[in-house]
Parts: sequence; C-alpha cells; structure tokens
Amino acid sequence: AQSVAQPEDQVNVAEGNPLTVKCTYSVSGNPYLFWYVQYPNRGLQFLLKYITGDNLVKGSYGFEAEFNKSQTSFHLKKPSALVSDSALYFCAVRDGVSGGYNKLIFGAGTRLAVHP
Amino acid sequence: DTAVSQTPKYLVTQMGNDKSIKCEQNLGHDTMYWYKQDSKKFLKIMFSYNNKELIINETVPNRFSPKSPDKAHLNLHINSLELGDSAVYFCASSQTSGGRTDTQYFGPGTRLTVL
Repeated sequence: AQSVAQPEDQVNVAEGNPLTVKCTYSVSGNPYLFWYVQYPNRGLQFLLKYITGDNLVKGSYGFEAEFNKSQTSFHLKKPSALVSDSALYFCAVRDGVSGGYNKLIFGAGTRLAVHP
Repeated sequence: DTAVSQTPKYLVTQMGNDKSIKCEQNLGHDTMYWYKQDSKKFLKIMFSYNNKELIINETVPNRFSPKSPDKAHLNLHINSLELGDSAVYFCASSQTSGGRTDTQYFGPGTRLTVL
C-alpha cells in the first residue's frame, strides 16, 4: 500500500531564513506526490504536485519541492520564510483504486511556525 | 468565486441525532470526495463519487450515507450521531480524464461537534 511519512511534527524557522518540510514516501510504481497547506480554521489549499518530469517542482506562494527517487523523498522548500507561511502542511501520495480512480493518502502533517 | 463550498461551516448537535452536510463544486469536475480530519489533524478518505456513482467506500460505518444528486453535488448524511463522529469533514473534487484523476481541490470544511 502507498504511504507517506512526515517525520517532524513541527518545524520552527526565523522569518527570512530558508525552510524545509520533510516528506518520504513508499509506493509501488511511479509516485504521484502532492503538497497541501492548511491555515487555521481553513480548508486545504493545493501547493504543488509531482507527476513526472523535472525533479524540482515549483508551486504557489514561492514554494517548491524536490523529488528524490533514490531517497524516496519529496521535501517542501522555500528560500525565505514569511510569518504568514505559518500553517499545517500535508504531504500526500495518490493511491490507485480499481477502475483507474484514485484517492489521496495523507501524511500526519507538519506544523510550520515562522517567528519574526 | 467559491470553487468547492460546504454548508454548514459549523454543526453542533446531540448524540443520536441525524444530520447532513452539503457540498457543491463549480469547477465542472466529475469526481467528488469526502474526507474526515480527526482531532489530531489526521486526514482520511471516506467516500468518492464519479458522475454520481460511488467508486470509493473506505469501510465507513453505514450510519454515513453519501448522496450525489448530480456531479456538482455530494452530500453526506449521518444517522445516529456518536461522540466519535466529532471531526472536521472536508469535501473535495477533481477531474478524472482517461481514468487518471487530476489534482483534488478542497472545500473549507465542516466542523461537526457531537455532544
């Protein structure tokens, strides 16, 4: 079965510093990977996805993620953190079901706290 | 313009009651989902419908019954509510083309509290 792991419950970073939120995956076949962000009392917002192609994927709000097949990782990164980036971040993998349909399997989430 | 909307945003009710949550998407997608986020923020899929047809049912208790009147709407009805049903329920939608599902877009969530 497909799965993702987010090894850090919380990441703390100072505003202006680079940030990394880690994600590792376990899949059979080609991985389809996603990052979502959840702001307090809000729904999930799509940030970016990796399907195929370049290992560095660029997404919304200046975020990017690096797909590393040998390390089975898909870490989320941003060169310069903002206080407004403070939120809960979810990594997800697409899991195929019969009929060609899919569902998302989510990691446990990582809370990012950016301090002024 | 709201892409995926849910009503109500908050729902507080007593154990044993029956309640419904509604979801609508104006993205023209053909596939819709219900996810449950528990108190530890863990997200898990419950159901998925494609063109009004149930395609995913993740061993959810049969007190939960999804209904899709058309491909733009997916409602969730819950009978005999229990304390453990307290959670945030998210609706999502995506477009399935050629049997491969595109990005899922989520609604704002419905926070259900069972007293």
